[in-house]
Amino acid sequence: DTGVSQNPRHKITKRGQNVTFRCDPISEHNRLYWYRQTLGQGPEFLTYFQNEAQLEKSRLLSDRFSAERPKGSFSTLEIQRTEQGDSAMYLCASSRSRDEQYFGPGTRLTVT
Amino acid sequence: TQLLEQSPQFLSIQEGENLTVYCNSSSVFSSLQWYRQEPGEGPVLLVTVVTGGEVKKLKRLTFQFGDARKDSSLHITAAQPGDTGLYLCAGVDPMNRDDKIIFGKGTRLHILP
Repeated sequence: DTGVSQNPRHKITKRGQNVTFRCDPISEHNRLYWYRQTLGQGPEFLTYFQNEAQLEKSRLLSDRFSAERPKGSFSTLEIQRTEQGDSAMYLCASSRSRDEQYFGPGTRLTVT
Repeated sequence: TQLLEQSPQFLSIQEGENLTVYCNSSSVFSSLQWYRQEPGEGPVLLVTVVTGGEVKKLKRLTFQFGDARKDSSLHITAAQPGDTGLYLCAGVDPMNRDDKIIFGKGTRLHILP
């Protein structure tokens, strides 16, 4: 399968713990996006990479969120000191252009 | 303020009926993308419309981009239960210089057999 993959698919953690999610994009795609989606809402933009450069970071993201894309390949999204309000589906997408995106299956985070 | 407004928010219709859902903005977009999302999965790209007035067809789905590139519609002919899902429109934020993509809240469509 050469689509976007995300791991883990589900994560349950206790409030205050740190979590890290991984996204492996389609290999020839230089753009990589992270989104958060809560029930009944569309995806909310979190951050965007072009190759290894992080070009944009949403004001929605607090200092507890950080993302990396070393060597312009896979990306990780870390949430420190998780809060119950962080519970959501975290989606990753990759693309070659701004007119299309290919999404992974998402990581569902539950903070108890 | 939501840059992309989708309507209706929910739609439940009988199999075989036709329907149209809308994506509207007060801003001009260089292009708009339509996605369908099923529960527990990521959105799947259906189509991108680029030219004002453009019409694209994907089997029973017809997508139109407004002449002024501020709105788009999706028309489904003879809806089937397999069309059930969340339909999202998205585009590059016209207020942003770095190709940030924004989404509408979606139209949740349920086709009754």
